[in-house]
Amino acid sequence: QQKVQQSPESLTVSEGAMASLNCTFSDRSSDNFRWYRQHSGKGLEVLVSIFSDGEKEEGSFTAHLNRASLHVFLHIREPQPSDSALYLCAVRDSNYQLIWGSGTKLIIKP
Amino acid sequence: EAAVTQSPRSKVAVTGGKVTLSCHQTNNHDYMYWYRQDTGHGLRLIHYSYVADSTEKGDIPDGYKASRPSQENFSLILELASLSQTAVYFCASRQQGWEQYFGPGTRLTVL
Repeated sequence: QQKVQQSPESLTVSEGAMASLNCTFSDRSSDNFRWYRQHSGKGLEVLVSIFSDGEKEEGSFTAHLNRASLHVFLHIREPQPSDSALYLCAVRDSNYQLIWGSGTKLIIKP
Repeated sequence: EAAVTQSPRSKVAVTGGKVTLSCHQTNNHDYMYWYRQDTGHGLRLIHYSYVADSTEKGDIPDGYKASRPSQENFSLILELASLSQTAVYFCASRQQGWEQYFGPGTRLTVL
């Protein structure tokens, strides 16, 4: 069964500096990897979906998938304090179920 | 844009009481899901359904029942609410092979 882990649990970055989040999965056969953002007390916002090895950019968010190493990264370019939130990684398994990581709490310091 | 609504948006319940959370989608999606999210963590699947009048257990079904009386509606039922069920509950729907669309969430506090 697919397992998804995220690291670090918490990350503090200065405004404007690159933020990099890591998501590790256990089953290479998954074909759909997604990053979500959740501001405190709010719903889920899809940031970027990626289906094949390589990079996918959506605005200031870039997902980087490497199935061989079982990693999908999220890079946030020039983050602002408004980007402070919980970032969640979700991997779709062969039954089209979403398997979720436990999240990275990102804090952007002004 | 797919529309999934949840009610209530927030609820306070007493331990041992019955709680029903409702989800409604207007997209004719076959699949519907109930997840719970504990503060600062990811989502865990409680129950799901792929057709009306049928439900399936997810990863953490204990203490929860689900009901899918129609394609549009999917309810989550806590017969005997407990303190440990305090969480935010998300409903989602999808059509076969497509992405899941999430509702806004219901914040449940059990006292």
